[in-house]
Amino acid sequence: GQNIDQPTEMTATEGAIVQINCTYQTSGFNGLFWYQQHAGEAPTFLSYNVLDGLEEKGRFSSFLSRSKGYSYLLLKELQMKDSASYLCAVTRRKNSGYALNFGKGTSLLVTP
Amino acid sequence: DGGITQSPKYLFRKEGQNVTLSCEQNLNHDAMYWYRQDPGQGLRLIYYSQIVNDFQKGDIAEGYSVSREKKESFPLTVTSAQKNPTAFYLCASRPGQLNQPQHFGDGTRLSIL
Repeated sequence: GQNIDQPTEMTATEGAIVQINCTYQTSGFNGLFWYQQHAGEAPTFLSYNVLDGLEEKGRFSSFLSRSKGYSYLLLKELQMKDSASYLCAVTRRKNSGYALNFGKGTSLLVTP
Repeated sequence: DGGITQSPKYLFRKEGQNVTLSCEQNLNHDAMYWYRQDPGQGLRLIYYSQIVNDFQKGDIAEGYSVSREKKESFPLTVTSAQKNPTAFYLCASRPGQLNQPQHFGDGTRLSIL
């Protein structure tokens, strides 16, 4: 089965660093995505991990440990515009194709 | 510019009515997906299609139907059998490679009158 857990809410200060964790249980892991979603808008792609280790992309980094079923998204030099929901999604094999299984998202509030 | 277009942005349905949500993409993507998002629930998969003329049920397909007659189009019909249709509906598409992310439309918010 599929089970993805993320914290519901987090608060951090502008300019700081925040780490959003995601744990998952899956059969047939084929990669993990992080998306950002502002209220009432479409999710936008942030990062993809399929091998263990850290992927860095500007202020955002994402880490994966497949043996632990664990990932985190690291946001550095936080800005007010980073206030959004962050979605962890795991690629799974489904019937004849592939689909994403999403966590419920972590709502991040960045304060001045 | 290439992208995914969902219409309408807001939709109202009377009890007992079927409504169809449009999703069109010009990204030449093979796979297309429909999700439903409720507050505190995250995105849940309704239907998906890997190629034209083929589609598969997702995790919450009851009360919904789809078609994939063209590569560019993947409309979703919310039938009267869907007892709680009020939600934010998101359409997405993805190229064939697994390491490529899904691209999302701007969504349709459906409400019951």
